[in-house]
Amino acid sequence: VQLVQTGGGLIPPGGSLRLSCAASGLTVGSNYMTWVRQPPGKGLEWVSILYGGGRTYYADSVKGRFTFSRDISKNTVYLQLNSLRAEDTAVYYCARDLDGGGYYGMDVWGQGTTVTVSS
Amino acid sequence: SYALTQPPSVSVSPGQTAYITCSGENLGRKYVCWYQQKPGQSPVLVIYQDAKRPSGIPERFSGSNSGNTATLTISGTQAMDEADYYCQAWDTSAHYVFGTGTKVTVL
Repeated sequence: VQLVQTGGGLIPPGGSLRLSCAASGLTVGSNYMTWVRQPPGKGLEWVSILYGGGRTYYADSVKGRFTFSRDISKNTVYLQLNSLRAEDTAVYYCARDLDGGGYYGMDVWGQGTTVTVSS
Repeated sequence: SYALTQPPSVSVSPGQTAYITCSGENLGRKYVCWYQQKPGQSPVLVIYQDAKRPSGIPERFSGSNSGNTATLTISGTQAMDEADYYCQAWDTSAHYVFGTGTKVTVL
């Protein structure tokens, strides 16, 4: 079971970026998937969750700017980041959430991808 | 908004027991997970449902949760346990909340 992330990079404020997370050994369409980020030298921050039925929820800090989606045919999830701000600078992780409600935790994590928002 | 507070650092001698606390309002009414993160690596789930260990996690890791405090206990701490540890709980309004993180140093 593996999650491989791509995307990330240096983006100017106000710019956009799409992060990808390709799954193997698990099916994104039948699992809860999440994004968690970690600013440089700081702690973990939950960003978004995609439930198996397709519902999405977002942290207040990214609501209206980030969009979580999936392509079942590619077994890949995506995080579209728009209107980026300096405070969005972080390592972004995708992870499988075993139950979507905090019972069983996030048991599989991607390797992380760095997003730097700077002019 | 719901918040989880952890001590910034905990120091422990090899072979001794480390206690890492996580405090939040009525935290005992929620389930808590714990993650270990070593420098430059992705987090690893070490405890779920307050006290259960995923497959492959050593028995020296244990957890408890009551009142306003959850505790991760590392018994017989080894050098390889040196890492950052984060608690996590699910909140009805904020969805997931992570603790502030604790750096465990094995002296």
